[in-house]
Amino acid sequence: AQSVTQPDARVTVSEGASLQLRCKYSYFGTPYLFWYVQYPRQGLQLLLKYYPGDPVVQGVNGFEAEFSKSNSSFHLRKASVHWSDWAVYFCAVSLNTGGLSGKLTFGEGTQVTVIS
Amino acid sequence: EAGVTQSPRYAVLQEGQAVSFWCDPISGHDTLYWYQQPRDQGPQLLVYFRDEAVIDNSQLPSDRFSAVRPKGTNSTLKIQSAKQGDTATYLCASSPSLISNERLFFGHGTKLSVL
Repeated sequence: AQSVTQPDARVTVSEGASLQLRCKYSYFGTPYLFWYVQYPRQGLQLLLKYYPGDPVVQGVNGFEAEFSKSNSSFHLRKASVHWSDWAVYFCAVSLNTGGLSGKLTFGEGTQVTVIS
Repeated sequence: EAGVTQSPRYAVLQEGQAVSFWCDPISGHDTLYWYQQPRDQGPQLLVYFRDEAVIDNSQLPSDRFSAVRPKGTNSTLKIQSAKQGDTATYLCASSPSLISNERLFFGHGTKLSVL
């Protein structure tokens, strides 16, 4: 069965510093991978998604993620964090069957706190 | 474009009481999902529909939970006899299709507290 692990429950970062959030997936084959963000008092929003192809994916608000099949990872990065990036970030995986599935499995989430 | 609408925003119950959550997906989205998100955890899929048909309800506690989408548009999730362990935020999401790589659009959720 597919699964996602986010090993860091909480990350604190200074405004302007770089950020990396880790995500490891378990799936036989090449999955579809996503990062969603949950801002305070808002619904989950898509940051970026990976399709098989270029391993580095660009998302909104300066975020990018890199897929590694050898490491079974899909880490999220941002070069310079802004206070508005204070949120919970979720990695998610979906089956890549080439057909109909739509079942998205989420990790536990990483709470990002931005300090000045 | 209107987003996914859920109601109520909050619900507080005693154990044993019933509660219903309502979801209005984005117009034209044929796929609708219900997720349960306990505090400080990721969303966990309960059930999802394509139009009015249930695609997968294997994670829905069938003795107390039920979900319907009778006309393939709005959906209702019901808890028949709530337990303290049901305390969580219930998220509804919709997507334009059932394709594996399709993004989901989420509502704000209903935060349930069972005392």
